[in-house]
Amino acid sequence: SAVISQKPSRDICQRGTSLTIQCQVDSQVTMMFWYRQQPGQSLTLIATANQGSEATYESGFVIDKFPISRPNLTFSTLTVSNMSPEDSSIYLCSVERGTDYGYTFGSGTRLTVV
Amino acid sequence: KNQVEQSPQSLIILEGKNCTLQCNYTVSPFSNLRWYKQDTGRGPVSLTIMTFSENTKSNGRYTATLDADTKQSSLHITASQLSDSASYICVVSADDYKLSFGAGTTVTVRA
Repeated sequence: SAVISQKPSRDICQRGTSLTIQCQVDSQVTMMFWYRQQPGQSLTLIATANQGSEATYESGFVIDKFPISRPNLTFSTLTVSNMSPEDSSIYLCSVERGTDYGYTFGSGTRLTVV
Repeated sequence: KNQVEQSPQSLIILEGKNCTLQCNYTVSPFSNLRWYKQDTGRGPVSLTIMTFSENTKSNGRYTATLDADTKQSSLHITASQLSDSASYICVVSADDYKLSFGAGTTVTVRA
């Protein structure tokens, strides 16, 4: 299965600032996915990022708040903009490596906004 | 609305004992069902993946079952170990990449 390096692993940020999370995959993938996992909750899809096109956002998530870059087939970033304490969550990136492998997730970024 | 319901929400078991986690779903059309293990502060790690034609799949001490007719799945952990303490998430796919996540079952294994 794919290996995903996600960083930072955790951060504590001041409200009103922005944080950019990076995901590097060890092989080329068409789609990368960004999720949010709020405390005690399951994962919620934020957006799907395809290389060379704008990300597709799920209901409740907008590009101004969560801009995404996908400059090539192995890398993507998610920025959490103008943060508030409600943005405190774990953010995860994910790729699919075929039905035999399922989805592989990054180790997550634990964000705390104070 | 596609939904995935897991039970119990949490459970505590003694080391060496077995346990079974349940997952009921209403996702349609069904493509596949996956079980993930998520350690605290880490990303989910895939345990099993099953399509509608498969009714059981094992990965070491983890055995998943699927009844596509009743839309139910279970994950059985045999001879639990302390390292099995984690959240177990049932994930159902309706198409190529749209996933529906259960809220997870938190398993605590005590010595």
